[in-house]
Amino acid sequence: DAKTTQPPSMDCAEGRAANLPCNHSTISGNEYVYWYRQIHSQGPQYIIHGLKNNETNEMASLIITEDRKSSTLILPHATLRDTAVYYCIVRVAVGNTPLVFGKGTRLSVIA
Amino acid sequence: ETGVTQTPRHLVMGMTNKKSLKCEQHLGHNAMYWYKQSAKKPLELMFVYNFKEQTENNSVPSRFSPECPNSSHLFLHLHTLQPEDSALYLCASSQGGISEKLFFGSGTQLSVL
Repeated sequence: DAKTTQPPSMDCAEGRAANLPCNHSTISGNEYVYWYRQIHSQGPQYIIHGLKNNETNEMASLIITEDRKSSTLILPHATLRDTAVYYCIVRVAVGNTPLVFGKGTRLSVIA
Repeated sequence: ETGVTQTPRHLVMGMTNKKSLKCEQHLGHNAMYWYKQSAKKPLELMFVYNFKEQTENNSVPSRFSPECPNSSHLFLHLHTLQPEDSALYLCASSQGGISEKLFFGSGTQLSVL
């Protein structure tokens, strides 16, 4: 059973910000939000994760709403190499529960 | 380069063949995973090994047999597969046991004829 809902696909113009939404309305207080992406014919790649505060790293920013029921992954200046499937996953931070991937959002960056 | 190497990159096998997929990680991690990705489907977790002990078998048919001789190596032995087993098989590892930060290999694209 999916814990997250993402749009199946999105387009973004090269050089513009890509904003990928994710709904996780049933998230628990001890569950983090994780983002991975999978470029065609490769394994998934970790991007970022957060609990309730906004997070930023060299790849992206993660904005989590105050009620934690949704989040947005932001790629500030999308390039053609950012074309990939982006997965939003919720998981408790401790314990031995492996990650479960959903269908994700296929982001196409267009020149 | 993620530090997780999978071989072979591509494999074609008949339904009566026996073959093995190999995964090696050079990251000093203690947990290793097999995932299966069929065309147009989400990644499916198959097996998890934590400190060389199998901790998860996600109702995988017995024609798939994992082996984890040490924390750096993981195998998936295949025998009498079906055409519907054709998929991308991905190996991953994580630090300090089961974790949310996985490092994936590039996968083995398997075709069963």
